[in-house]
This record gives sequence, C-alpha cells and structure tokens, in this order.
Amino acid sequence: GENVEQHPSTLSVQEGDSAVIKCTYSDSASNYFPWYKQELGKRPQLIIDIRSNVGEKKDQRIAVTLNKTAKHFSLHITETQPEDSAVYFCAASMGSGYALNFGKGTSLLVTP
Amino acid sequence: NAGVTQTPKFRILKIGQSMTLQCTQDMNHNYMYWYRQDPGMGLKLIYYSVGAGITDKGEVPNGYNVSRSTTEDFPLRLELAAPSQTSVYFCASSLTGDNQPQHFGDGTRLSIL
Repeated sequence: GENVEQHPSTLSVQEGDSAVIKCTYSDSASNYFPWYKQELGKRPQLIIDIRSNVGEKKDQRIAVTLNKTAKHFSLHITETQPEDSAVYFCAASMGSGYALNFGKGTSLLVTP
Repeated sequence: NAGVTQTPKFRILKIGQSMTLQCTQDMNHNYMYWYRQDPGMGLKLIYYSVGAGITDKGEVPNGYNVSRSTTEDFPLRLELAAPSQTSVYFCASSLTGDNQPQHFGDGTRLSIL
C-alpha cells in the first residue's frame, strides 16, 4: 500500500510543554487524515481527524494541520499532561477511500 | 451500544492449528476491517468489507480468510497458523468508507507456538 511516514518515533516532553508529531503521505488521492491515541494494551481511539477541504482543525488542546500540496499533516498537543502519554498514530485514507494507511506510531512520554 | 466486540481477547495456538477470530458491531455500520499490529509497527490492513456478502483483500491477506454474511459480523479465519501470524488483531467498523471515523474493538492477542 501507499506509505505514511511518521516522525519522530519517540518524543519526550515536560508537562506543560507542546508536542508536535509530523506525518507525510504519498497517495495524492488521500482525503481523510485521522489521528489515533493508543494506550498500552488498549484499542486505538480517534482523537481528531481532518478532511482535505480543511487546512486546520482544533479541539481544545489538540490541533491538526494539513498541507495537501506538500502531502504532510501534523498533530499539535499544547499544555501536555502526563495522561497524554501514549502511542499516537497518524493515518491517511487509501485512494479507494475504503481503508486507512497507518504510520508506525510515535511514543509520547510526558514527564511531570 | 457495545460498539465493536472482539472475542477471544487472548489465544495461544500451535503451528498448523486453525481458529476464527470473532468480530461483531452493533452500530449498523456498513464497512468493517481487520488489521494486525506487530510490535513497534502501525496497523496493517488484512481484509475489509463494504457490506454483507462483499469482501476484499488488504495489504497483508495471505494466510487469512474472511466472510461477511450479516451486517453485524465479520469473522477472520486462520487456516494453518504460522509463527509469523503472532500479532494483535484489531477489528474496526465505519458507517461508510468515505472519510468516516473507524471505531476499533479491544483486540485479540494471538500467539502461535
């Protein structure tokens, strides 16, 4: 399938700082970009998503930006808290629109 | 609503055995998916279904089979278990396939020894 590259693979920040995770995709037909949070041993849970007709979306401390020309999108978490510690996955819809290509994940650690 | 329910939660199989991973959803979603997640990796699509009676291969379908006889159920079958199939398996569903959020089950942790 088409690749979704995600960076960094690990990220450690202090409580209160911001965290940024970046993803690039290669399928120009991709038009839906969700972000999932997965705590250890749990299911992936959708935290925010963006569609290609929107450049930025915000939900409280979480925001996502999308640059379709450059084929990259980013997750921004402000005022991080220890409970934000988890693995975060970006994804991009496949050209068929039926399923998602996932990045390999970013392990975020927020230290008090 | 229970959402997406997967059974069993854990299973150990011997090489060559077969088993079926069950997945059911009560949200009346048309689209259902099976992913596998290996350590340090993202989720890879095994099979998906756009409705009852319709299934198609994803990125890593070899060694697996699926069926979709009802809207609610989407079982995944392993016919001849191999060590390479040791993984965590997630089932997901979405209302449609077009830019709709996917909702995941709790996963099945499968070990092949």
